[in-house]
Amino acid sequence: DGGITQSPKYLFRKEGQNVTLSCEQNLNHDAMYWYRQDPGQGLRLIYYSQIVNDFQKGDIAEGYSVSREKKESFPLTVTSAQKNPTAFYLCASSISGDTANYGYTFGSGTRLTVV
Amino acid sequence: SQELEQSPQSLIVQEGKNLTINCTSSKTLYGLYWYKQKYGEGLIFLMMLQKGGEEKSHEKITAKLDEKKQQSSLHITASQPSHAGIYLCGADVNAGGTSYGKLTFGQGTILTVHP
Repeated sequence: DGGITQSPKYLFRKEGQNVTLSCEQNLNHDAMYWYRQDPGQGLRLIYYSQIVNDFQKGDIAEGYSVSREKKESFPLTVTSAQKNPTAFYLCASSISGDTANYGYTFGSGTRLTVV
Repeated sequence: SQELEQSPQSLIVQEGKNLTINCTSSKTLYGLYWYKQKYGEGLIFLMMLQKGGEEKSHEKITAKLDEKKQQSSLHITASQPSHAGIYLCGADVNAGGTSYGKLTFGQGTILTVHP
């Protein structure tokens, strides 16, 4: 079955460390997205990519980095520059950038905690 | 301020009661999506509305988009404990649907259903 897989489900980071969250999809979707979810704030867009080797900053990109070397993969690195990284991170994909007609498929999320 | 405002922020109902969740924007909505989320998990697609005045139903859940395409409502009839979770609306809020795949989300509504 096709789907989108995020790993790990739980991740703990020490102060000053970079950590990478994995997102893989086998849906043959062109577009992929990273959102951050905090209580009471809904989902906020971090980065998105509509095609391999290209990505754009979302609303809260500071302290994060991404790569899109393969269509199937869109890893997110939370760097030490991100001052408040504790959150629930969601990866999503869609057939194309045309969300007026196509929605997102979401992964099951990664909960990142700073210790 | 949020581009998509959901109300109420939380809702507690007795099993069997009907309820409505609203999603409002000051902008025209292009492609309005409703998702459900269990705590700590990914988002599950419920319904998508595109046209002003459109209404869709699935089992006991009905979603409507108003004629001006600025407000949507999600109505649950005869609620059950299985309906409990977080409900989020998402939409492309840029003029002409030119967000190139970026969905903006409301802050979510937490629904609790007591048996």
